[in-house]
Amino acid sequence: AQRVTQPEKLLSVFKGAPVELKCNYSYSGSPELFWYVQYSRQRLQLLLRHISRESIKGFTADLNKGETSFHLKKPFAQEEDSAMYYCALGQGFQKLVFGTGTRLLVSP
Amino acid sequence: DAGVIQSPRHEVTEMGQEVTLRCKPISGHNSLFWYRQTMMRGLELLIYFNNNVPIDDSGMPEDRFSAKMPNASFSTLKIQPSEPRDSAVYFCASSLHNTEAFFGQGTRLTVV
Repeated sequence: AQRVTQPEKLLSVFKGAPVELKCNYSYSGSPELFWYVQYSRQRLQLLLRHISRESIKGFTADLNKGETSFHLKKPFAQEEDSAMYYCALGQGFQKLVFGTGTRLLVSP
Repeated sequence: DAGVIQSPRHEVTEMGQEVTLRCKPISGHNSLFWYRQTMMRGLELLIYFNNNVPIDDSGMPEDRFSAKMPNASFSTLKIQPSEPRDSAVYFCASSLHNTEAFFGQGTRLTVV
């Protein structure tokens, strides 16, 4: 069965500190992994997709099939990064399975 | 395009009442998803449609929940009768041919 685990409900860091939001998954096939972000009072939106291998807003995520992980990283956190982050797994965008989310709080 | 539009934004109802949530997907999108968000379980897929046809409703919690998509521009999620444990934020999302899914702003449902 598909499952996504985000072990941290809350991650609190200071501005300028490195950030790593953890995501582990279980899936029997070839996974597609995504990170979605929800800023305060805004709708959920796609941040990045592992296939595209992009860096969005300074964030990167590398798929590690050996460790079944897709951690989201940013070397220097900004206050505007404060948001709810969801890791998701799926085939294309159908039947996306989401983790429970991690709230990132960046303090000045 | 205004994006995916959901109504109402907030709904407070009494236990036992029928609740209908509405969604207008982005014009031209052919897939529509209903998700439920709770603190305990995060985002759960309830059902999704492709070309107005329900493809997978295995996430629908029980028979009290039903969803329809009568045409390409409208979908409803109905709960009858509602219970306090149904309180959550319900999101609708749409996509085109397995590309990025765009989410609505959600409906916050409170059943008292």
